Amino acid sequence: AQKVTQAQTEISVVEKEDVTLDCVYETRDTTYYLFWYKQPPSGELVFLIRRNSFDEQNEISGRYSWNFQKSTSSFNFTITASQVVDSAVYFCALIGSNSGYALNFGKGTSLLVTP
Amino acid sequence: DGGITQSPKYLFRKEGQNVTLSCEQNLNHDAMYWYRQDPGQGLRLIYYSQIVNDFQKGDIAEGYSVSREKKESFPLTVTSAQKNPTAFYLCASSSGTGIAEAFFGQGTRLTVV
Repeated sequence: AQKVTQAQTEISVVEKEDVTLDCVYETRDTTYYLFWYKQPPSGELVFLIRRNSFDEQNEISGRYSWNFQKSTSSFNFTITASQVVDSAVYFCALIGSNSGYALNFGKGTSLLVTP
Repeated sequence: DGGITQSPKYLFRKEGQNVTLSCEQNLNHDAMYWYRQDPGQGLRLIYYSQIVNDFQKGDIAEGYSVSREKKESFPLTVTSAQKNPTAFYLCASSSGTGIAEAFFGQGTRLTVV
């Protein structure tokens, strides 16, 4: 069985603050893939990143960074110097190599960035 | 431009009526998916298809049906057997390797009255 847990339902920060969105996963597959998606108010999910289970190197893309730790089964997402445009729902998702071909999503974290 | 088109964006139906949601992609992707999104529930998989003329049930397939007669199209029918059809429905596609990122449409918000 696969499971993705995003314990933070809603987060509210003031612009320019840093914020970390937590993601904890469970899978029995030894090879798996983790994803983060952003859902702005328009509704469409926007792909942010994919990470393979055998690559624990952290990644930074502009103000976004991801911390993947297999030891704690976590794949956390940090936004540095948040902006109002970052307000959205963020989903963490998982595909196991032996568990089908569709994304298993967490319940999402709603981020509100206020001026 | 390449992408996924879902139509309509908003849909209203009377209880007991079947309704079909459209999903078209021009990304030449083999795999297509339907998800349902409810407040606080995240996205749950309804059906997916890895190739034309083949599809598989997801976690919440009861009350739904699909077809995949063309690579570009994966329509979803919400039948009268679906007990709580009011939801936001998202269609997605991926290159079909199983590990490629999925691209999503803008969704259809279905309201049954």
